[in-house]
Amino acid sequence: KQEVTQIPAALSVPEGENLVLNCSFTDSAIYNLQWFRQDPGKGLTSLLLIQSSQREQTSGRLNASLDKSSGRSTLYIAASQPGDSATYLCAVGDIQGAQKLVFGQGTRLTINP
Amino acid sequence: GAVVSQHPSRVICKSGTSVKIECRSLDFQATTMFWYRQFPKKSLMLMATSNEGSKATYEQGVEKDKFLINHASLTLSTLTVTSAHPEDSSFYICSAIRTGAEEAFFGQGTRLTVV
Repeated sequence: KQEVTQIPAALSVPEGENLVLNCSFTDSAIYNLQWFRQDPGKGLTSLLLIQSSQREQTSGRLNASLDKSSGRSTLYIAASQPGDSATYLCAVGDIQGAQKLVFGQGTRLTINP
Repeated sequence: GAVVSQHPSRVICKSGTSVKIECRSLDFQATTMFWYRQFPKKSLMLMATSNEGSKATYEQGVEKDKFLINHASLTLSTLTVTSAHPEDSSFYICSAIRTGAEEAFFGQGTRLTVV
């Protein structure tokens, strides 16, 4: 059974810093991996999708990497801003089941002005 | 990006009543939609896969008679919580994947409180 773990559970950094969020998964046979952002009491916003054959994806200040063999992904946020404060969720797409996602517990990020 | 609309965003109901939550893909067709449940400060747990025109597939431990799913069209799936109890109080989120694509888009979520 696939398990997804995110470290750290919470992170607080000053504005302007670059930071890295970590995600690990136990079964390397994945379909894809997605990073999401969730604001308190809200739904999820898709940030980046990495196919199983890809190594990384970039969107603006965000860069996500994928190392399937070691079961790891990182989300790099450059020049952090207070508006980046949210919970970031990593989710792995099940190779067997029609893109079902298994989620990590998230990293709660706070960017201090 | 694609838009998924979920309604209502919040609902309070009395114990023993049923509540229906709608999930609509506004600008694309979705053969498959998914329903998740999120407990406070926990991650999302997949409840069921909703397939247009056929029966939903439920994850282990999810009561299909309690959580009724109907995917009657390519743009609408509904989740009905029947005979709701306080332990059903939770945040329910749907997602949809455009037919032929891979990226999942999520609704805004529904906060259900059963009193």
